[in-house]
Amino acid sequence: AQSVTQLDSHVSVSEGTPVLLRCNYSSSYSPSLFWYVQHPNKGLQLLLKYTSAATLVKGINGFEAEFKKSETSFHLTKPSAHMSDAAEYFCVVSSGGGADGLTFGKGTHLIIQP
Amino acid sequence: GAVVSQHPSRVICKSGTSVKIECRSLDFQATTMFWYRQFPKQSLMLMATSNEGSKATYEQGVEKDKFLINHASLTLSTLTVTSAHPEDSSFYICSALGGGADTQYFGPGTRLTVL
Repeated sequence: AQSVTQLDSHVSVSEGTPVLLRCNYSSSYSPSLFWYVQHPNKGLQLLLKYTSAATLVKGINGFEAEFKKSETSFHLTKPSAHMSDAAEYFCVVSSGGGADGLTFGKGTHLIIQP
Repeated sequence: GAVVSQHPSRVICKSGTSVKIECRSLDFQATTMFWYRQFPKQSLMLMATSNEGSKATYEQGVEKDKFLINHASLTLSTLTVTSAHPEDSSFYICSALGGGADTQYFGPGTRLTVL
C-alpha cells in the first residue's frame, strides 16, 4: 500500500520569494516519487522525478526536490517564485518506478502575489 | 515530444446514453495507458490500467461493465462510459507510459457532464 500526504492545500507567496510545497509519503516498497503541475485547462506536466538515484532532484523551471528517507518526505522547492508558477501541484508516488498506476496527493494550490 | 491528446475535450450528454473518450499518444508508442478520474477540487484517482491487446485491469470499486476500456493499438486507448448518470460527471484524464517506460505523460483531460 502507498499513500501521499500534501501538508498544505494552499500556499501563497510573493513573486521573487522562495517556494516550499510539502509532501510526505508512505510506501511498502522503495518508492518512485514525482511532482506534477496542473495549469488551468492544461494537462498535467511532469516537473521532476526521483527513482532511487541522487536524492536531490532537479526539475524543470527551476524546481527541485529532496528525497529524505528518514523523514519520508519529498518537498518541492524553488528559490524565486514567478507569476507563471501559479498552478495546482501534485506529489505522486509509485511502487513500480512510474510504470504502475500512480497514487496522487490531494494537491497544493500555489498562489503568487505580485 | 511525448504528447498525449484526448478527444473530446468536453462532452455533455443525457442520462442513459453512452460516451466514448479517446486517448492518443501522438509521437510515441505506448503499450500501457492509464485512466484517471478527477472530481472538482480533488485529486486524481486511478480507474484502470490499459494494456495493448489485453483486457484492462480495474481498480477496486470501479465497475468494469460501466467503464469499458479498449486498447486496440499502440497509440490509442478508449474509455466508454455506458449508460451514463449524473454521478458520472467528472474530469477524465488518461496517461500513456513512455520515456523508457518509467514516465507517464498525461492528456489534457475530458470534462464529462451528464444531464
